[in-house]
Amino acid sequence: GAVVSQHPSRVICKSGTSVKIECRSLDFQATTMFWYRQFPKKSLMLMATSNEGSKATYEQGVEKDKFLINHASLTLSTLTVTSAHPEDSSFYICSARDGRVQETQYFGPGTRLLVL
Amino acid sequence: AQSVSQHNHHVILSEAASLELGCNYSYGGTVNLFWYVQYPGQHLQLLLKYFSGDPLVKGIKGFEAEFIKSKFSFNLRKPSVQWSDTAEYFCAVLSGSQGNLIFGKGTKLSVKP
Repeated sequence: GAVVSQHPSRVICKSGTSVKIECRSLDFQATTMFWYRQFPKKSLMLMATSNEGSKATYEQGVEKDKFLINHASLTLSTLTVTSAHPEDSSFYICSARDGRVQETQYFGPGTRLLVL
Repeated sequence: AQSVSQHNHHVILSEAASLELGCNYSYGGTVNLFWYVQYPGQHLQLLLKYFSGDPLVKGIKGFEAEFIKSKFSFNLRKPSVQWSDTAEYFCAVLSGSQGNLIFGKGTKLSVKP
C-alpha cells in the first residue's frame, strides 16, 4: 500500500518556540493532505485540510495563525506549531489522499509533541 | 453534522473468540465508511471500506463489516481473533464537504493468549 512518512516522530521543545512537522507521501502524489490531532483516549480530530498550491482550510476552533500549514508540492505538507505552549502537547497525525484509489487516505505514523 | 459513535471503549477477548465492534453514524444519506486499525506504536492502517454495492465488505486479516442502512450501522466482525489483533480500532465516515474523515472515539481490543 501507499506510504506516508512524518518527521520528526517525536519532539520536545520549550514553550514559546516553533516546531515544524513534515508529512510526505512517498510513492504517490497527494493533492490533498489532512492534519489531525489525537488526544489521549480520544479520537482523531481534524485540524485542517491542505490542498497543494492553495491555502489550507481550517476546522472551526483551530487557529490558523498558530498552526501554519504549507502544501508546496504534491508529496509534502508541513505543519508548523508557532509559539508552542504546553497545551499544544499532543499527537499530530497527517494523512494523504491517493487520488488513484477511491477516496482512500493513508496515514503517517504521527508526531508526538511535548512542550515544556 | 455527521458523527460516528463506537459503543465499546475497551473489549477484552480470549483467543479464538468471535469479535463484533459496533459503529453507528448519524447522517442518513450516501455514506462512505471505513474501519482503521492502529497497532501499538504503529500508524493507522485501513482494514476495509464500503462505498457501494455488497453491504458485506471483506477486509484484510480476516475482518469483515456489514453496512446496514436501516440501522445506520457498520459493525466490524471477525470470527476468531488472535493475540496479534490486539490494537485500537477506529470507525470513520467520509465527510462530503472536503473529503476528510470523521472518526469515532475508537475501541481498544485486548486479546488474551
